[in-house]
Amino acid sequence: GENVEQHPSTLSVQEGDSAVIKCTYSDSASNYFPWYKQELGKGPQLIIDIRSNVGEKKDQRIAVTLNKTAKHFSLHITETQPEDSAVYFCAASRNQFYFGTGTSLTVIP
Amino acid sequence: ETGVTQTPRHLVMGMTNKKSLKCEQHLGHNAMYWYKQSAKKPLELMFVYNFKEQTENNSVPSRFSPECPNSSHLFLHLHTLQPEDSALYLCASSQDLASGSYEQYFGPGTRLTVT
Repeated sequence: GENVEQHPSTLSVQEGDSAVIKCTYSDSASNYFPWYKQELGKGPQLIIDIRSNVGEKKDQRIAVTLNKTAKHFSLHITETQPEDSAVYFCAASRNQFYFGTGTSLTVIP
Repeated sequence: ETGVTQTPRHLVMGMTNKKSLKCEQHLGHNAMYWYKQSAKKPLELMFVYNFKEQTENNSVPSRFSPECPNSSHLFLHLHTLQPEDSALYLCASSQDLASGSYEQYFGPGTRLTVT
């Protein structure tokens, strides 16, 4: 089955700096790659996703890049704000979602 | 906020109790999922329903019993649980399994503690 690895497990950045979270996957047939943000006491919230026929997607301060050859994809958050502090999960999917172990992001004011 | 609600939000139960978790989605979706979220582990898919039919049982012990009476409601019946079953149980929904619309939307979860 699919194996998704996510790094780093924790990340601290100064407010205004950029944050990058990386994931690798093993199944070359995976074709959908969502990113979720989970705040304390809440369920995961879809923040951005990318399909395998696209190399990059951007939504305001958030962007995702996909390298199908290397089988890795990354989440980029620019101009970080304290409200970006949360746990971020990546996932890879062909028909079933396989999640990474999460990255706890702390944005220091 | 996401259109998927779960009750209760917190549940403490003994190993001999029987309880049920409820999930309701207001998004007009036809696929619903149960996930288990434990600390330091990836989300684990437990069950998948598509148009009320169970399509996936990810080797889940029989002490967890799902029920999907219609496309909007999903239950997880619990009995004779073990302490290691303590976790956050998340419900999610998506359009369906064949439309090519993959987005899954999660509820807030039920924090379950087994004593």
